[in-house]
Amino acid sequence: GENVEQHPSTLSVQEGDSAVIKCTYSDSASNYFPWYKQELGKGPQLIIDIRSNVGEKKDQRIAVTLNKTAKHFSLHITETQPEDSAVYFCAASENQAGTALIFGKGTTLSVSS
Amino acid sequence: GAVVSQHPSWVICKSGTSVKIECRSLDFQATTMFWYRQFPKQSLMLMATSNEGSKATYEQGVEKDKFLINHASLTLSTLTVTSAHPEDSSFYICSARTRSTQETQYFGPGTRLLVL
Repeated sequence: GENVEQHPSTLSVQEGDSAVIKCTYSDSASNYFPWYKQELGKGPQLIIDIRSNVGEKKDQRIAVTLNKTAKHFSLHITETQPEDSAVYFCAASENQAGTALIFGKGTTLSVSS
Repeated sequence: GAVVSQHPSWVICKSGTSVKIECRSLDFQATTMFWYRQFPKQSLMLMATSNEGSKATYEQGVEKDKFLINHASLTLSTLTVTSAHPEDSSFYICSARTRSTQETQYFGPGTRLLVL
């Protein structure tokens, strides 16, 4: 089955700096890679996703890159703000009905002002 | 759009009692719903996959007689923790997929369960 590794487990940056979180996956059949942000005591919120036919996707300060050959994808947050502080999870799945997401262990991002 | 709600948001119960958690897709029809549990500072662990009108598929190690899942309609799934014990205390989160965007999962706000 699929296995998703996520690094780093914690990341501290200064406000305005960039943050990068990396994930690798094991199943070459996976073709959908979302990123979720989870604030304390709340459910995960989808912030961006990418499918295997795309190498990069950007939404304002957030971007995701995908390297299918190497089986890794990354989340890039630019111009970080204190409200970006949260736990970020990457995930992977196949594009099939009923297929569950497999999550990485999460990265706790702290942005200090 | 794509809002998922859960009820209750938190519950405290005595050991041995049963607790029901509801998961609703408010503005879309969810062909598949998923139930996760999350321990403090850990990732989400999939418990079961629920398709409308059929029996849930449980992950290895999850007791189906203890965690009863019912997906009675395209907008409602329930998780019942039967004979709850303190070790069942956790954060339970559901997610739902729409028919039109099969891969994307929208998560509910979670239910905090504390068993005394």
